[in-house]
This record gives sequence, structure tokens and C-alpha cells, in this order.
Amino acid sequence: EPEVTQTPSHQVTQMGQEVILRCVPISNHLYFYWYRQILGQKVEFLVSFYNNEISEKSEIFDDQFSVERPDGSNFTLKIRSTKLEDSAMYFCASSPGGHMNTEAFFGQGTRLTVV
Amino acid sequence: TQLLEQSPQFLSIQEGENLTVYCNSSSVFSSLQWYRQEPGEGPVLLVTVVTGGEVKKLKRLTFQFGDARKDSSLHITAAQPGDTGLYLCAGAGRDNFNKFYFGSGTKLNVKP
Repeated sequence: EPEVTQTPSHQVTQMGQEVILRCVPISNHLYFYWYRQILGQKVEFLVSFYNNEISEKSEIFDDQFSVERPDGSNFTLKIRSTKLEDSAMYFCASSPGGHMNTEAFFGQGTRLTVV
Repeated sequence: TQLLEQSPQFLSIQEGENLTVYCNSSSVFSSLQWYRQEPGEGPVLLVTVVTGGEVKKLKRLTFQFGDARKDSSLHITAAQPGDTGLYLCAGAGRDNFNKFYFGSGTKLNVKP
């Protein structure tokens, strides 16, 4: 069964460093998302991406964040200068889009720890 | 922003008991998804409900979408320890059904 895959599963980085989280969405899906979940808290929307551009972003998704689809399969989230409060699970999701009962399918997540 | 409130936040029950989890909003959603999440893993889609009043069954799980498409419930019959996990509802936006708003989750613990 097709699935969303994320790498790495766990990333430890020093404060101020840049990190890139990688995702391979389901191949025929058109919409891609990044969400994050701080430990013990709710799943928060970061950004959605469609047709090679950001379609929507939240207030969390500031200038430190960027997304890219560098080729036909990968979808990346970059954090330019990590802060301690960026420590969280980051989930990539994809959906076929285009109709009312569209569904989002999630990857296993990348646990980002900023020290 | 379309907010979703889930209740209860925590639920601890004995194996064999029934339970209901609620997902409520003042906003209308195009559709509503229920996910189950285990610690350290991503949310796994259980079901999508689209039509107001729709009821879907998945073995011992029954999902209902409110008539006005503002709320939903998940009922588990004869809960088992394997049902333990975090249950999340997520609504697809009324104006942008490609955006999903998540509830805060219900953490269920089923004791043997």
C-alpha cells in the first residue's frame, strides 16, 4: 500500500543550525503538507503546497521556514536557524486533493531535537 | 481558523467497556477524518465522513458526522487494550477542503 515516507526518523541539531527534513509523498497525490506536534500537544498545521507553490501557511511558518519540491518525488522542509522551541515531531502528509472527501495521509514523522 | 474541540481529553477504561469520544466545532466542515496515533508515530487514518448524518462502521468502531457537519463522534464497543492510543479528529475546511484542522485529541487507555 502506498505510504508517505519521512527521513530521518530522528534529528538532533544544535541551536542556530540549519536542518532539512525530507518527505516522499504518495506518488499520485497533488497536495503536500507539513504539520508539527510538540510533545504532548496538538497537531499544528504549518504549510500546504500545491502546484509547486505554497497554497497556505500558518503563523508558525515564519521566515525561518521554507519548503521545496526539488524533483518529482521529494518534498522538504528547511528550518534555517533552529531554536530550542522548534523541538517537535514534524509530520509530512499528502492528499490527492480536488474533491470534498479528500483525505490526508501522514508519514511516520521526524523527531527534531534542538539542543 | 476553524477550531475543533475534542472531549474527553483523557479516558481510562476497563477492557470490555464502551466509550464515546466527541469532536465539536462551531464551524462547518467539508468532511471530517478520524485518526489514531501511537506514541512516536504518525496519525493513521481510520475513516472519513462527508455527508451530514453519515454513520460509518469499522468493526467495533462507529463514526457519526453531525447533521450540520459541525461535529462528529466515535463510539467504541467492547474496548480492547489494542484500542489504546490517541484519537484525533481533523476537519477539512469548508472553503478550502484541502486544508485540515486538527482537534486536540483524546488519549484512550484500555486496561486489561
